[in-house]
Amino acid sequence: DQQVKQNSPSLSVQEGRISILNCDYTNSMFDYFLWYKKYPAEGPTFLISISSIKDKNEDGRFTVFLNKSAKHLSLHIVPSQPGDSAVYFCAASAGTSGSRLTFGEGTQLTVNP
Amino acid sequence: GAGVSQSPSNKVTEKGKDVELRCDPISGHTALYWYRQSLGQGLEFLIYFQGNSAPDKSGLPSDRFSAERTGGSVSTLTIQRTQQEDSAVYLCASSLSIANTEAFFGQGTRLTVV
Repeated sequence: DQQVKQNSPSLSVQEGRISILNCDYTNSMFDYFLWYKKYPAEGPTFLISISSIKDKNEDGRFTVFLNKSAKHLSLHIVPSQPGDSAVYFCAASAGTSGSRLTFGEGTQLTVNP
Repeated sequence: GAGVSQSPSNKVTEKGKDVELRCDPISGHTALYWYRQSLGQGLEFLIYFQGNSAPDKSGLPSDRFSAERTGGSVSTLTIQRTQQEDSAVYLCASSLSIANTEAFFGQGTRLTVV
């Protein structure tokens, strides 16, 4: 049972444009959501998070949007840069009960110069 | 260092041998996770330790896999009688015990079973 799904295995955008990465979840107990970025041969690094009490969180070029009714979140990167090329993982937890992180399958983002 | 440390970084083993992978979490982090990533796949949850609570072992793929965490710090993931399908990158992460905090990952151990 895949509780966190990233339906797009890959995304390609031009430098300077917006990248939008999507994530859907099924478990209504999830109340904390995170995005991680992973380069080859490295461990995932934390990017940005959002609590279910919010619908938007912004950090520089990165913004995460949460639509609880649709059980959907998205990561926007504006403007996209070639160094953003990496695999992006969405993760979720029922944070208030201290439960484990559940990850999606990942989306390979390629930003073309 | 201040980050999550995993050893070895690479391990090649023969099919049927046992292997031990080590994880040193960030000091003060009481939650510890093991995940693995097979070639072209996402992050597969294996096991989760939270403080003194019983670990969540629901992701361990078979009884050949086990993990322990001694003294609430260092963790060892053991794979017995390794099979070729065990080849993957094994990732360890740790986080603070309080809710709604991010987990920090180590660099991973690349295991190759030949």
